[in-house]
Amino acid sequence: GENVEQHPSTLSVQEGDSAVIKCTYSDSASNYFPWYKQELGKRPQLIIDIRSNVGEKKDQRIAVTLNKTAKHFSLHITETQPEDSAVYFCAASRAAGGYQKVTFGTGTKLQVIP
Amino acid sequence: NAGVTQTPKFRILKIGQSMTLQCTQDMNHNYMYWYRQDPGMGLKLIYYSVGAGITDKGEVPNGYNVSRSTTEDFPLRLELAAPSQTSVYFCASSYLGTNEQYFGPGTRLTVT
Repeated sequence: GENVEQHPSTLSVQEGDSAVIKCTYSDSASNYFPWYKQELGKRPQLIIDIRSNVGEKKDQRIAVTLNKTAKHFSLHITETQPEDSAVYFCAASRAAGGYQKVTFGTGTKLQVIP
Repeated sequence: NAGVTQTPKFRILKIGQSMTLQCTQDMNHNYMYWYRQDPGMGLKLIYYSVGAGITDKGEVPNGYNVSRSTTEDFPLRLELAAPSQTSVYFCASSYLGTNEQYFGPGTRLTVT
């Protein structure tokens, strides 16, 4: 089955600095890669996603890059703010038995220090 | 739209008891999922469904059962609760497997 590894598990940055979270996946059939943000005590919510036919996608301060050859994708947050503090999960979705199956990474706890 | 709703929000069970966690979505989504999230950990898929009448096991299905008789509802059944099932349970739904998953607010379950 699919295996998604996520690094680092914790990340502390100063406000205004950039943060990068990296994920690798094992199955080359994976074709959809979402990123979710989970604030303390809240439900996960999608912040950005990318499909396998695209190499990069940007939404304001957030960007995601995908390298299909190396099977890794990354989340980049620029000009970090205290409200960016949360746990971030990557995921990879692939076709399995006629259906799409989603596998989540283990999460990165981001702390933005004011 | 209410989105994805879950009941109850909190529950304490004694070892060996059973219960059903309810999940409903009003977005006409095909896919529905049940995850558990242990403290400080990631999301582990318990079961998922790609449509009414179709369910399949995820990563950690032991001790749980599901059914999907309608598009809207996807209940999770715990039989013979064990302390290892203490966790936060999230239900989610998506239109397809390659679309955003919408999560419910979660159910915090403690088994003592």
